[in-house]
Amino acid sequence: DADVTQTPRNRITKTGKRIMLECSQTKGHDRMYWYRQDPGLGLRLIYYSFDVKDINKGEISDGYSVSRQAQAKFSLSLESAIPNQTALYFCATLDRLGTEAFFGQGTRLTVV
Amino acid sequence: GEDVEQSLFLSVREGDSSVINCTYTDSSSTYLYWYKQEPGAGLQLLTYIFSNMDMKQDQRLTVLLNKKDKHLSLRIADTQTGDSAIYFCADNNNDMRFGAGTRLTVKP
Repeated sequence: DADVTQTPRNRITKTGKRIMLECSQTKGHDRMYWYRQDPGLGLRLIYYSFDVKDINKGEISDGYSVSRQAQAKFSLSLESAIPNQTALYFCATLDRLGTEAFFGQGTRLTVV
Repeated sequence: GEDVEQSLFLSVREGDSSVINCTYTDSSSTYLYWYKQEPGAGLQLLTYIFSNMDMKQDQRLTVLLNKKDKHLSLRIADTQTGDSAIYFCADNNNDMRFGAGTRLTVKP
């Protein structure tokens, strides 16, 4: 199994639809993150979580929500998708020391 | 919020050294990181440096940290075509914030 698995890898959805992106990890890391990547803007932090009961907003949380269902699972939801949420989304994990990090392969989301 | 900034492009010839620069604003970061992203892939953690260190060397990679100027650099010695990728610096206080990425192109 991959260290960090994101599903789906690709998704096309219509404006106004609800969509969930899922992330699971096998590293046992407490810290999990969701980012979106847009050309020329790098990675922007959407939400992050330090454990199951901890959820924190990042730079661009508006229009997104998250759920940390278990230590290994962190899902990102778009309640009502809009075209400017078209982007590449990455999930990442980080250990407590801050010295070991893993990224998923990314989910390419297109909102039409 | 706190910012991490880096130049967007760097082009070098194979065999030369590459130096990728980054500036950050959050002086409370415990670690600073360099990540590599190859086309179609997620990010890979290349190396990190603890905030109380000035330099870290790992094979062809050398990280320099100037805390006074809040400047971080990554030097890649003997750059190869396989080093062509986007390189991101990131800091880590509570969140983990990234620069926009530097696209390194290595010409034969």
